[in-house]
Amino acid sequence: DIQMTQSPSSLSASVGDRVTITCRASQDIRNELAWYQQKPGRAPNRLIYAASSLLSGVPSRFSGSGSGTEFTLTISSLQPEDFATYFCLQHNTYPTTFGQGTRLDNK
Amino acid sequence: QVQLVQSGAEVKKPGASVKVSCKASGYQFITYHINWVRQAPGQGLEWVGWINPNGGDTGYGQKFQGRVTMTTDVSISTAYMEMTSLTSEDTAVYYCVRGRYYDPWGQGTLVTVSS
Repeated sequence: DIQMTQSPSSLSASVGDRVTITCRASQDIRNELAWYQQKPGRAPNRLIYAASSLLSGVPSRFSGSGSGTEFTLTISSLQPEDFATYFCLQHNTYPTTFGQGTRLDNK
Repeated sequence: QVQLVQSGAEVKKPGASVKVSCKASGYQFITYHINWVRQAPGQGLEWVGWINPNGGDTGYGQKFQGRVTMTTDVSISTAYMEMTSLTSEDTAVYYCVRGRYYDPWGQGTLVTVSS
């Protein structure tokens, strides 16, 4: 199975901060990675697909980059509604595997 | 809009079985696989398996082989996941998710296994 190592596992930041989250794959997954936001008690919401493509309706402060084995999600200027858990997902190879998640909270 | 609506929460005793449903709307049901993913309390996400509604092919995660069965009823655009021999470690929110690109997700179904 492809292991997805996500860091950090938690992060405290303030409104207006720039935040970066990383996922590393244990083998080449090309660009077959997505980023999700999840709020407590809610289903995940996809933000980024194909590693760097922003879904329609997702604010432009979110961006993704990377290919192969290293990927990043960046929030350029945190807004109050961005405090949530974020995780990556690889769909290059079954079984689909996930990063362990990054809990982003208000400092 | 594309939507997946799951059945309600379940409470089961150890050793019992559970069957969760996932009704799709807003797209042609047979054109996308349905994946099942679970999330135990305070834990990360775990892939359970997939089903292709067009023909019924399935693929299950190794730890669930022999204990999970995924089916569909294309006449009502609904997918099902049945899991048997439940233990407390199966307590989790179970999600159905459309397609290879994992979007959208159902709202989740909490399955609690407790004596």
